[in-house]
Amino acid sequence: SQQGEEDPQALSIQEGENATMNCSYKTSINNLQWYRQNSGRGLVHLILIRSNEREKHSGRLRVTLDTSKKSSSLLITASRAADTASYFCATPTYSGAGSYQLTFGKGTKLSVIP
Amino acid sequence: EPEVTQTPSHQVTQMGQEVILRCVPISNHLYFYWYRQILGQKVEFLVSFYNNEISEKSEIFDDQFSVERPDGSNFTLKIRSTKLEDSAMYFCALRRGASEKETQYFGPGTRLLVL
Repeated sequence: SQQGEEDPQALSIQEGENATMNCSYKTSINNLQWYRQNSGRGLVHLILIRSNEREKHSGRLRVTLDTSKKSSSLLITASRAADTASYFCATPTYSGAGSYQLTFGKGTKLSVIP
Repeated sequence: EPEVTQTPSHQVTQMGQEVILRCVPISNHLYFYWYRQILGQKVEFLVSFYNNEISEKSEIFDDQFSVERPDGSNFTLKIRSTKLEDSAMYFCALRRGASEKETQYFGPGTRLLVL
């Protein structure tokens, strides 16, 4: 089964620094998605990168995808205290009629120290 | 504006009791999902629902679980006889269309505690 695994499990940085989180998966994918979860809250979709894309930007977020290595990275530049959250990569498994379910990794817990 | 809300936000129940968790879409959606997250663990897929029927379910989604859209709007997850290990955050997720651009919007979750 497809499975995203992030590393590091936890990351602590100073405000203003960049944060890089990595994700590896096992099988071929159509796309890979990154989500954010504030403590005890729901998941917020951040960015989707297709299998034929190598890099994608959204504001301070930069995502890369290397399908040959089955890995992706999420870079948050100029981090802020408000970026403190857990970040998950997720890969879709399609079940027909356009539906898919997401398989999530264990996540990286990011702490940004003011 | 949130795409979806969930009720209740928290629920405490006794083992063996039935619980119903509700997901209230704000706008029209085609695809409905339930996920759960046991404390400190991964978010896990439970079930997907499309065109008024289950389209996919995981091994977790056994006979104790059921889903429905009783009024064509709210999407519910019922656990018939709760077990201690059902304690988790339960997230509803919705998707508006079949296009790859249409991502899943997650609700804020219901925290279920089974005693």
